[in-house]
Amino acid sequence: QSVLTQPPSVSGAPGQRVTISCTGSSSNIGAGYDVHWYQQLPGTAPKLLIYGNSNRPSGVPDRFSGSKSGTSASLAITGLQAEDEADYYCQSYDSSLSGPLWVFGGGTKLTVL
Amino acid sequence: QVTLRESGPALVKPTQTLTLTCTFSGFSLSTSGMCVSWIRQPPGKALEWLALIDWDDDKYYSTSLKTRLTISKDTSKNQVVLTMTNMDPVDTATYYCARSSTGSYYSHYFDYWGQGTLVTVSS
Repeated sequence: QSVLTQPPSVSGAPGQRVTISCTGSSSNIGAGYDVHWYQQLPGTAPKLLIYGNSNRPSGVPDRFSGSKSGTSASLAITGLQAEDEADYYCQSYDSSLSGPLWVFGGGTKLTVL
Repeated sequence: QVTLRESGPALVKPTQTLTLTCTFSGFSLSTSGMCVSWIRQPPGKALEWLALIDWDDDKYYSTSLKTRLTISKDTSKNQVVLTMTNMDPVDTATYYCARSSTGSYYSHYFDYWGQGTLVTVSS
């Protein structure tokens, strides 16, 4: 069980908008810690997509955006493209003493129909 | 540019100790704020953070695996080493090393990743 909860899968047609949620608790997202997002294309290492809740590294298209509110965060992808088909992970910091310090969500598989 | 590369055995037997090396370039672990983590991913499953070492040689471990992990660095060789004792088949995973470099640990994110190395635990 991951500390951060994501839907196992989402899908959308090319050109559409999809969102992926990431739900945490008062010891991580709800405590005000930043949320970051990674894209993992099949057979490759994760790639940083969004950092600090809503910032895009250089080279990441502005079709990708992030937001955070309360104990949850969201990744939105607009103008869906076939190349966006991948697994997406959220990540944050957790201050509880019962688990790891830096935590990931369970991942969401995006299928482009 | 920043690169990281993991190396180590592809196959280990149950109860053995795993030693993985992360060799990096494009940054120095003696620079203030720089950190390297190990993160693993069992086949078809999610990412799991394991350990982090910072420029000041401070070390942090996943609470659930703390007793089995040791992370160390050799700044002169630009390497970070992870050892994991008492390996079990459930430890079969791709092991990644990744860099983070923000000022606050609460804000840490992993901006550069190695390609990963698959470790299978089997007799």
